[in-house]
Amino acid sequence: KQEVTQIPAALSVPEGENLVLNCSFTDSAIYNLQWFRQDPGKGLTSLLLIQSSQREQTSGRLNASLDKSSGRSTLYIAASQPGDSATYLCAAISGSARQLTFGSGTQLTVLP
Amino acid sequence: DGGITQSPKYLFRKEGQNVTLSCEQNLNHDAMYWYRQDPGQGLRLIYYSQIVNDFQKGDIAEGYSVSREKKESFPLTVTSAQKNPTAFYLCASSLRLAGGSFFYNEQFFGPGTRLTVL
Repeated sequence: KQEVTQIPAALSVPEGENLVLNCSFTDSAIYNLQWFRQDPGKGLTSLLLIQSSQREQTSGRLNASLDKSSGRSTLYIAASQPGDSATYLCAAISGSARQLTFGSGTQLTVLP
Repeated sequence: DGGITQSPKYLFRKEGQNVTLSCEQNLNHDAMYWYRQDPGQGLRLIYYSQIVNDFQKGDIAEGYSVSREKKESFPLTVTSAQKNPTAFYLCASSLRLAGGSFFYNEQFFGPGTRLTVL
């Protein structure tokens, strides 16, 4: 059964800092991995989707990488801003689960 | 404006009462999903539907029911059999990929409904 873990649960950084959010998964036979952003009391906004054949995806200041052999994905945020403060969730789809399995998220606070 | 709408935003339920949460999408997506989110936790799948008049149970379907009479609509009923229904409920949709798979495609989410039991 696929399990997805995100550590740390919470992270605070000063504005302007580059940062990395971590996501690990137990079943390396994944089809894709998706990163989401969730603001308090809101739905999820899809940030990046990495297919199993890809190593990374980029969108603006965001870069997501995927290493299936080590069971890890990272979300890199460059030049962080207070507006980046939110909870970031990763979710993986694997052949065994055939559904999105979510991590519990990392709550990011960017301090002005 | 294409997207997914959920209503109501807040819902209060009395003990023993059934309530229905609405989810509508105008993205022409084939598949729709319902998830439950509890504080500090990730999302858990309740039900999903790949096509009209068909739906499948997810990991936590007990105490819930759904219908899919129209492609754009996937309402969720929280029945009195659900013992701990207080949670944030999220609806999502995705396209079906060539070859029939759909879970492997990007999922888009609605704004959510917060259900509280009084």
